[in-house]
Amino acid sequence: RKEVEQDPGPFNVPEGATVAFNCTYSNSASQSFFWYRQDCRKEPKLLMSVYSSGNEDGRFTAQLNRASQYISLLIRDSKLSDSATYLCVVNGVLTGGGNKLTFGTGTQLKVEL
Amino acid sequence: DAGVTQSPTHLIKTRGQHVTLRCSPISGHKSVSWYQQVLGQGPQFIFQYYEKEERGRGNFPDRFSARQFPNYSSELNVNALLLGDSALYLCASSPGQSSYEQYFGPGTRLTVT
Repeated sequence: RKEVEQDPGPFNVPEGATVAFNCTYSNSASQSFFWYRQDCRKEPKLLMSVYSSGNEDGRFTAQLNRASQYISLLIRDSKLSDSATYLCVVNGVLTGGGNKLTFGTGTQLKVEL
Repeated sequence: DAGVTQSPTHLIKTRGQHVTLRCSPISGHKSVSWYQQVLGQGPQFIFQYYEKEERGRGNFPDRFSARQFPNYSSELNVNALLLGDSALYLCASSPGQSSYEQYFGPGTRLTVT
């Protein structure tokens, strides 16, 4: 089983639509969770952290369900500029005291006119 | 402030050769991590360095090595290149060893022929 699993998509949606991405993770000891956005042939950029209480940033809402080991991202009123790959990311602690990010394969979103 | 910088941006090498990739973290950040992203996949963790010491290593062969310098910049070395090493190599910096949020550089795109 992969450590972080996502539906690869693509999700093709019209402008203005609401779209939801889901992600599951396997390590119940994981503590920190993120959504990153990656444009074609560019580096991943942090979109938002995900907290147990849920958090919202403008049109974006992230939710975490620790009992189900499930993370979601909701995008409302989609814009053409939202077209990108969305990566679900889980932070893990290393035995040496450091930390590493574990990425899902990413979900591709295409917003169309 | 400048973000994470990486050099070179693109590189073409032949099987069996070795390669050195370079990364400069955000000013004030002391931790550097390296990730490999092959086409269609999320980034995979290779190494984390903090205060010039390796703090973690992912599931990569010994052909991969890295180091961090007193100014916190870092090098990733790959020996005996294989076709499968063709990927985008990403460097990420964070303020400390256990900082959860990591900021990525633009990456080095390595092609092995």
